Amino acid sequence: LAKTTQPISMDSYEGQEVNITCSHNNIATNDYITWYQQFPSQGPRFIIQGYKTKVTNEVASLFIPADRKSSTLSLPRVSLSDTAVYYCLVGPISSGSARQLTFGSGTQLTVLP
Amino acid sequence: DVKVTQSSRYLVKRTGEKVFLECVQDMDHENMFWYRQDPGLGLRLIYFSYDVKMKEKGDIPEGYSVSREKKERFSLILESASTNQTSMYLCASSSLWTELAKNIQYFGAGTRLSVL
Repeated sequence: LAKTTQPISMDSYEGQEVNITCSHNNIATNDYITWYQQFPSQGPRFIIQGYKTKVTNEVASLFIPADRKSSTLSLPRVSLSDTAVYYCLVGPISSGSARQLTFGSGTQLTVLP
Repeated sequence: DVKVTQSSRYLVKRTGEKVFLECVQDMDHENMFWYRQDPGLGLRLIYFSYDVKMKEKGDIPEGYSVSREKKERFSLILESASTNQTSMYLCASSSLWTELAKNIQYFGAGTRLSVL
């Protein structure tokens, strides 16, 4: 199983760009990297997914270096409403077993005014 | 939008009671999951099901069982609730067949269970 490691918490100010890095040293060839966002009293919500290089959508960007041993979620110009826990998930897309899906411990991002 | 509905937001039960947590999804997803979430431990997979009547143990199945009689419904059962099962329980579903949605899980709002 590809274990992931994330910082426990991060603080930022409104309007800044925030980068959250996830380490996954033993990522497998068929593993994808997926990030989720969770607000208090809600279930996690999918943000972005990638395999290599860079992926961008309307919410965030995901940077994955060539060796794929880490990934960085980038949130541009954060606001107070981006305060949440962010999870990094590594696992195969066409999996025969959900045990191959591993959630990290999550990063609590706090955006300050 | 995909909707995953958990039957209760809050539950209070007594030690030794049999507890049922229900989850329903409306997108015809093949996969369904049960997680528990505890402070500092993130999400831990209890069980998942990839088809009706099919199930597979996750990382922490002890003390739990599941039932999936219909595709849209996945139940988590605590046969004899204990205080160490006090937690937030999250249900999720995902599709096997939609190209962009593979491995993307849709979560319910969670059930906060307290066992006294």
